[in-house]
Amino acid sequence: QVQLVQSGPEMKKPGSSVKVTCKASGDNFSRYGFNWVRQAPGQGLEWMGGIIPVLGTIDYAENFQGRVTITADESTNTVYMEFSSLGSGDTAVYYCASGVSYNYPRVDSWGQGTLVTVSS
Amino acid sequence: DIQMTQSPSSLSASVGDTVTVTCRASQGITNYLAWYQQRPGKVPKLLISGATTVLPGVPPRFTGSRSGTNFTLTISSLQPEDVATYYCQKYISAPGTFGPGTKVEI
Repeated sequence: QVQLVQSGPEMKKPGSSVKVTCKASGDNFSRYGFNWVRQAPGQGLEWMGGIIPVLGTIDYAENFQGRVTITADESTNTVYMEFSSLGSGDTAVYYCASGVSYNYPRVDSWGQGTLVTVSS
Repeated sequence: DIQMTQSPSSLSASVGDTVTVTCRASQGITNYLAWYQQRPGKVPKLLISGATTVLPGVPPRFTGSRSGTNFTLTISSLQPEDVATYYCQKYISAPGTFGPGTKVEI
């Protein structure tokens, strides 16, 4: 399985954007699809979107369409999630989560999570 | 999009009890259903894939079943370490919608 290491916590102002990085290691990057899942404090898991880099497939959940952009750099085995127009309701832990591409969007491995706090 | 519901939202049981969590898909997803366990303060963990396949290393007291668009996670002989929130997820195609979760307490 691939191991995922995410960038550190972020503090953002309302209306701004955040870009979270997820570096994969330990297996062939091209075997995997990558999901972004968020969890607000005390709340459940919310699938935001995903990417299968080798296929060029990118999907977004309807709730986040237009605000989230997911990209990947196969040369560095890194996946990115940029989230714009942040509001206080976007304060959450954002997880990068991977799974083998033929079972996408199922998740086999999770990153450690990145806490994004939105506050004025 | 296909919606995923779970019931109950929470439950309390005793050590040794058998616990059942139900997940329902609003449309057919065949067996493309996964169950995850999230212990307090931890990252989620995949327990069951394909509705019924228990992942290696997961205790055999965890089982999954399917009847049409209804899916069940059963924990036989509940243990203290099973205190967690359990989520189902459909993965027949994107979006990989999760159920709202079921909190299991002892």
